[in-house]
Amino acid sequence: DVKVTQSSRYLVKRTGEKVFLECVQDMDHENMFWYRQDPGLGLRLIYFSYDVKMKEKGDIPEGYSVSREKKERFSLILESASTNQTSMYLCASSSNGREAFFGQGTRLTVV
Amino acid sequence: DQQVKQNSPSLSVQEGRISILNCDYTNSMFDYFLWYKKYPAEGPTFLISISSIKDKNEDGRFTVFLNKSAKHLSLHIVPSQPGDSAVYFCAASVQGGGADGLTFGKGTHLIIQP
Repeated sequence: DVKVTQSSRYLVKRTGEKVFLECVQDMDHENMFWYRQDPGLGLRLIYFSYDVKMKEKGDIPEGYSVSREKKERFSLILESASTNQTSMYLCASSSNGREAFFGQGTRLTVV
Repeated sequence: DQQVKQNSPSLSVQEGRISILNCDYTNSMFDYFLWYKKYPAEGPTFLISISSIKDKNEDGRFTVFLNKSAKHLSLHIVPSQPGDSAVYFCAASVQGGGADGLTFGKGTHLIIQP
């Protein structure tokens, strides 16, 4: 079974902090994604990566950056956390651009 | 502009009856469609998919129908069970654009009533 693991289930951070969300997949997938889920807005793509050290902006990249130094790991960085970044963050990976496998999610609260 | 639309935020169905969840799309380049199920505080899990070369795909209690001319797909769950209560997301992708990720609808919250 494909496994996508996000480092934290729940996080509480203060406004202005730099926040790192880590994601690791064990299926040697080329493509990795970060989404956020908000009530009434569905899943929105923040950033994605199709190869090591490659990254592309998704639909809502503002306030975020990413890092992919190794194929299995994709990190989402909130440079200076703000309250409007309180959300559920979901990491996913895929190999063929079809079915994406998701991690369990990180519920981030910025206070 | 929303390319994948789920116009029903919620749907309530009696246990044992059929649940029908609908999804519309606007991008004619989409050629692969998926349904995901999501419980609170968990990541979405893949449920069923369909390629644009087909009009129906079935997997146990779940069937997805695709009407390309109407740019519409639906997910049928028969019979509905209490464990089916969740948020269902419709998603779509473009051939060759797999690295770009999936485009999701806003989700439909399905509630199965006993």
